[in-house]
Amino acid sequence: GENVEQHPSTLSVQEGDSAVIKCTYSDSASNYFPWYKQELGKRPQLIIDIRSNVGEKKDQRIAVTLNKTAKHFSLHITETQPEDSAVYFCAASQGSGTYKYIFGTGTRLKVLA
Amino acid sequence: DAGITQSPRHKVTETGTPVTLRCHQTENHRYMYWYRQDPGHGLRLIHYSYGVKDTDKGEVSDGYSVSRSKTEDFLLTLESATSSQTSVYFCAISGEDREANYGYTFGSGTRLTVV
Repeated sequence: GENVEQHPSTLSVQEGDSAVIKCTYSDSASNYFPWYKQELGKRPQLIIDIRSNVGEKKDQRIAVTLNKTAKHFSLHITETQPEDSAVYFCAASQGSGTYKYIFGTGTRLKVLA
Repeated sequence: DAGITQSPRHKVTETGTPVTLRCHQTENHRYMYWYRQDPGHGLRLIHYSYGVKDTDKGEVSDGYSVSRSKTEDFLLTLESATSSQTSVYFCAISGEDREANYGYTFGSGTRLTVV
């Protein structure tokens, strides 16, 4: 079946450095790719998303890139801050036009002050 | 708070007992989902609903059933709880966009422990 692989599982960076989290999906029909941030004990919250007709999207310090040919998409966080410490999940829609998503297994990001 | 609430927030139950978790939304969204979250597995879809009385199975549906008799409520039932069903359960909702998908809004989660 379809799956989403996410790497790395843990990532530690110094405050102010950049962080990159990568995901690979298997369903060539996937057309929507959201990213969620989950702080300890809290619900996952949508932080940015990208659709298959766009190659890159930015929102302040966060950016997402999509390579449809390679079925890769990545989350980039610049100028990391301690409050960026959380677990980040990528997801891909199952097929085109569905509202079901397959999630990656998560990346625990630690920003060291 | 985000238009979606889950109850209870925490529950401890014994093996073999039935358990029902409730998800309530005030957003009038068509789509509702139940996920479970376990270390090393991320979020896995249990069941979802695309309207009143319209539900379907996700990737880990064995041992679970759902019901949606009203737009605002989506119930998840563990028919006979097992220790493997100890997990954090998240409900999610999404709106419908004719042109593109919406991301989910998640509830606060229910931490279920089966002893």
